[in-house]
Amino acid sequence: KAGVTQTPRYLIKTRGQQVTLSCSPISGHRSVSWYQQTPGQGLQFLFEYFSETQRNKGNFPGRFSGRQFSNSRSEMNVSTLELGDSALYLCASRLAGDKLETQYFGPGTRLLVL
Amino acid sequence: AQSVTQLGSHVSVSEGALVLLRCNYSSSVPPYLFWYVQYPNQGLQLLLKYTSAATLVKGINGFEAEFKKSETSFHLTKPSAHMSDAAEYFCAVTPSGNTGKLIFGQGTTLQVKP
Repeated sequence: KAGVTQTPRYLIKTRGQQVTLSCSPISGHRSVSWYQQTPGQGLQFLFEYFSETQRNKGNFPGRFSGRQFSNSRSEMNVSTLELGDSALYLCASRLAGDKLETQYFGPGTRLLVL
Repeated sequence: AQSVTQLGSHVSVSEGALVLLRCNYSSSVPPYLFWYVQYPNQGLQLLLKYTSAATLVKGINGFEAEFKKSETSFHLTKPSAHMSDAAEYFCAVTPSGNTGKLIFGQGTTLQVKP
């Protein structure tokens, strides 16, 4: 079974632009979570989607948004990029959204904002 | 709010030596705790998780962790380090038992010297 895939793997943008990142969960998984990883702040939770609905949201500004499609694929969007948005963005999926299921992580998308 | 603290951002051991990575949690309710490993340019992989069953949890690659409520700790150990164990290790807790939202520690980089 294929793992979590994220596209693109690397991305370079300039300040003020917007970006969309994509995550394809493991087949059959219905929950997708997004995390931002930076050297200064570490790993921080962005949001979780389950059955096309946002179920949890972290403490990020409204420039960060996401959505989930009926096939469970998810996208996150960052508008008006800032230098501080440079990070590794990880998504993770789990089966049915039950409490203690393991999250399986993708390899991440590395975003560099110039 | 639940949180985890990893003591030591860098740990260096010799090949064959004991690995001990420290994690302390802060929680007003019984926590669910996890250890993840991240190899360079990869996502996170679950090593093991504590979900209030046995206090000694065995994971993959010879790692184990012991939940100690009296010490609010969940330290990760491996009896004999291997070169392939060199990676970054993250302790995480899930608020309210929802693994769709993980709160991570700052991470510990493990160096294994030949």
